[in-house]
Amino acid sequence: AQSVAQPEDQVNVAEGNPLTVKCTYSVSGNPYLFWYVQYPNRGLQFLLKYITGDNLVKGSYGFEAEFNKSQTSFHLKKPSALVSDSALYFCAVRDGSNAGNMLTFGGGTRLMVKP
Amino acid sequence: DGGITQSPKYLFRKEGQNVTLSCEQNLNHDAMYWYRQDPGQGLRLIYYSQIVNDFQKGDIAEGYSVSREKKESFPLTVTSAQKNPTAFYLCASSLHMNTEAFFGQGTRLTVV
Repeated sequence: AQSVAQPEDQVNVAEGNPLTVKCTYSVSGNPYLFWYVQYPNRGLQFLLKYITGDNLVKGSYGFEAEFNKSQTSFHLKKPSALVSDSALYFCAVRDGSNAGNMLTFGGGTRLMVKP
Repeated sequence: DGGITQSPKYLFRKEGQNVTLSCEQNLNHDAMYWYRQDPGQGLRLIYYSQIVNDFQKGDIAEGYSVSREKKESFPLTVTSAQKNPTAFYLCASSLHMNTEAFFGQGTRLTVV
C-alpha cells in the first residue's frame, strides 16, 4: 500500500522569509510525486511533479521541491514567501511501477504567510 | 482549473433524494476521477475511469454511481444510500493514468 504523510497541519511564516512544507511518502515501486495548492472553495491547482531526473524540481509561482530517496521525502520550498501564497497544500504520490495505480493524497498543510 | 467544468457550484439535497453532479472536460484527457473532500481532511477517491465506457471503484464508492458514455463527461450520482453525503466534491482529469491530474472548481453538496 502507498501512503503520504504531511506532518504539519499548519505552517506559519513571515512574508519574505523562506518556507518549507514537509512531505514524506511510502510506495513499493518508483515514486511519482506531486504538489498541489488549493485556495478556499476552489479545486486543486498543480504546482510541480517529480517523475525522474534531477532531484530538485522547479514549478509554478516560484515553488520548488527536492526529492530525497533515502529519506523518502519531497518537501516543498520557496525562497521568499508572499502573503498570496497562503493556502492549503497537498502532496500526492503514485507508484510509477504500476500504470493503473492511483494518486494518494496527504492530509494537507495550511500555509499562513503573515505581512 | 482550466478545461474542467463542474456544475453546480453549490447543491442542496433533501434526505432520500438522488442528485447528480456534472463534470465536463475539453482537454481530450483519457482518465477522469471523482474525489470527496471533508473539512480538515485530504482527498478520498470515489470512482475513476481510464477510458470511455469503463470505470472502477475507488476507496469510498458505496452510495455513489458514475457513467462514462462520452470521453468528455463523467457525471457522479450521489444516491440515497450514501449516509453522509455533505462534502466538497472534486472532479479531475489526466491525459493518462500516470500523468498529473487537473481539477475542476468543485461542487459543495449539503443535505438539508
